[in-house]
Amino acid sequence: GNSVTQMEGPVTLSEEAFLTINCTYTATGYPSLFWYVQYPGEGLQLLLKATKADDKGSNKGFEATYRKETTSFHLEKGSVQVSDSAVYFCALALQQGGSYIPTFGRGTSLIVHP
Amino acid sequence: DAGITQSPRHKVTETGTPVTLRCHQTENHRYMYWYRQDPGHGLRLIHYSYGVKDTDKGEVSDGYSVSRSKTEDFLLTLESATSSQTSVYFCAISESLGAGRATSNYGYTFGSGTRLTVV
Repeated sequence: GNSVTQMEGPVTLSEEAFLTINCTYTATGYPSLFWYVQYPGEGLQLLLKATKADDKGSNKGFEATYRKETTSFHLEKGSVQVSDSAVYFCALALQQGGSYIPTFGRGTSLIVHP
Repeated sequence: DAGITQSPRHKVTETGTPVTLRCHQTENHRYMYWYRQDPGHGLRLIHYSYGVKDTDKGEVSDGYSVSRSKTEDFLLTLESATSSQTSVYFCAISESLGAGRATSNYGYTFGSGTRLTVV
């Protein structure tokens, strides 16, 4: 079946540090890939996406590149801020029968200290 | 927000009672989903709907039922609540290109969640 594996957290960084959150996937087919962010007490929000190999999704200084050869979609940011503290979810979407069923990773908590 | 609301936002109920959570959307999206979020498990799909009266089970559907009598509403019912169903429940919607095809290009929009406690 389809699955998404994320690095376990929490990831703790100082402000302005470089961030990488690893994500790898297993899928039967060619999924679209997403990163979602969840701030405390809120629902998930789409952060960025990529729909085919070598695509780079980017938003708010975050980037992730769809690597088909390594089945990865690692999230990066060059300089994190305290306001980036949240839980980050990697996800894939693939058509199964007549529906698109999203599959999520378990989430990685990011804590950024001033 | 993005036109998706969940109600109630918080609920405490007793073991053995039925509970219904509501998801309402104003986006006219074809696909709707119910997830539960638990520490160490991330998001797990309970049920989803691909149209009015068209629903299917997710990976953790036991003890839950759903109904979708109109495009905008997707109800999740816990038939007889148990303590293991204490969780945060999220509804999500996604766009459709029509003709029975959902697009994977636009992502999913989530509600703000319902925190359910079963005592």
